Amino acid sequence: GAVVSQHPSRVICKSGTSVKIECRSLDFQATTMFWYRQFPKQSLMLMATSNEGSKATYEQGVEKDKFLINHASLTLSTLTVTSAHPEDSSFYICSARQQGRNTEAFFGQGTRLTVV
Amino acid sequence: AQSVTQLDSHVSVSEGTPVLLRCNYSSSYSPSLFWYVQHPNKGLQLLLKYTSAATLVKGINGFEAEFKKSETSFHLTKPSAHMSDAAEYFCVVSNTGGFKTIFGAGTRLFVKA
Repeated sequence: GAVVSQHPSRVICKSGTSVKIECRSLDFQATTMFWYRQFPKQSLMLMATSNEGSKATYEQGVEKDKFLINHASLTLSTLTVTSAHPEDSSFYICSARQQGRNTEAFFGQGTRLTVV
Repeated sequence: AQSVTQLDSHVSVSEGTPVLLRCNYSSSYSPSLFWYVQHPNKGLQLLLKYTSAATLVKGINGFEAEFKKSETSFHLTKPSAHMSDAAEYFCVVSNTGGFKTIFGAGTRLFVKA
């Protein structure tokens, strides 16, 4: 099956710094990537939908200036958490949908962000 | 509009006994339905998917699910639980246009020895 690689798997950063998370589709082209956030013991909440070459579409309540998304190529999307605070600590997961395939999305391994 | 409801937040079974994780959905479109499993501090792994082919879907690790349109359900079952099945399970609905994927709240499965 298709593989999505997310990096890093864990990151600890100081409050006020920025953190970049990468999501790569390794063996397919992904025109659309999705970014999710998961709070402890809760489900995944869609943050934004990223389309290659255009601006991301953010879900209601998600600060676009806080969570910067870039989808510069068909195999890479990045999420940058800017000026991170402890409340941004969470599990972030990306998924990618194959070009031409309109149902199944493949998920990355997730990134555990801890802001201290 | 789409939504998905996992009817149980926690399910506890004994090893070797059957597993039933319940999921109901609503969708304005012909839906695609998925079950994913998440082990602690890990990403999501696809167990199985329904995309308008056979209504009984077989997945990995002995899991299967039946799509029942009349009941708007997609329950996940396994005949015999194993200790390694203990994890969080998510029911997911996606429309065939493919641009909205909605997760259920999750069901945590506990397996007792």
